[in-house]
Amino acid sequence: GAVVSQHPSRVICKSGTSVKIECRSLDFQATTMFWYRQFPKQSLMLMATSNEGSKATYEQGVEKDKFLINHASLTLSTLTVTSAHPEDSSFYICSAIGAGANVLTFGAGSRLTVL
Amino acid sequence: GENVEQHPSTLSVQEGDSAVIKCTYSDSASNYFPWYKQELGKRPQLIIDIRSNVGEKKDQRIAVTLNKTAKHFSLHITETQPEDSAVYFCAGARGGGNKLTFGTGTQLKVEL
Repeated sequence: GAVVSQHPSRVICKSGTSVKIECRSLDFQATTMFWYRQFPKQSLMLMATSNEGSKATYEQGVEKDKFLINHASLTLSTLTVTSAHPEDSSFYICSAIGAGANVLTFGAGSRLTVL
Repeated sequence: GENVEQHPSTLSVQEGDSAVIKCTYSDSASNYFPWYKQELGKRPQLIIDIRSNVGEKKDQRIAVTLNKTAKHFSLHITETQPEDSAVYFCAGARGGGNKLTFGTGTQLKVEL
């Protein structure tokens, strides 16, 4: 079946630094990828929709200059949390769909802790 | 936009009993309703889904029902087992079903 790999699984950084999270589709071409944020014991909140080769579409309330999304190839999308602060600490999850994956496939998530 | 509400937030059942989780949605154009199971710190796993042209779907111990008129859908788990313990999320989407709006989640605990 379709597999989405997300890296790193855990990252700890200092306040003010930037962190990049990668989302890769391993065995299919992901024309669309989604990025979510999940706070403890809460639901998944969609942050943005990323289509290969075009700019990401951000949900209302999500700062596009803070959460930089790049989807330069059909197998890779990246989320960069710029100038991270403790309130950005969360579980970030990506999902992808495309040729070879007829249902949305989720990555394993990345736990970001900002000190 | 779509708003999906989910109840209950926590549910505790005895092993072997049935569990029912209910969701309502606001967007009448939504036509795809998946259910996900998420264990702590793990990715959501699709367990069953239903499209709006169907009223009920079953897969072994899991079933989902959809009432389009009332805009609600439910997950039914029969003969619950301890390994069913997890957080369950419903979701809704329009069109191709990719842009999901998730419910708030239900923590299911199956006790021995």
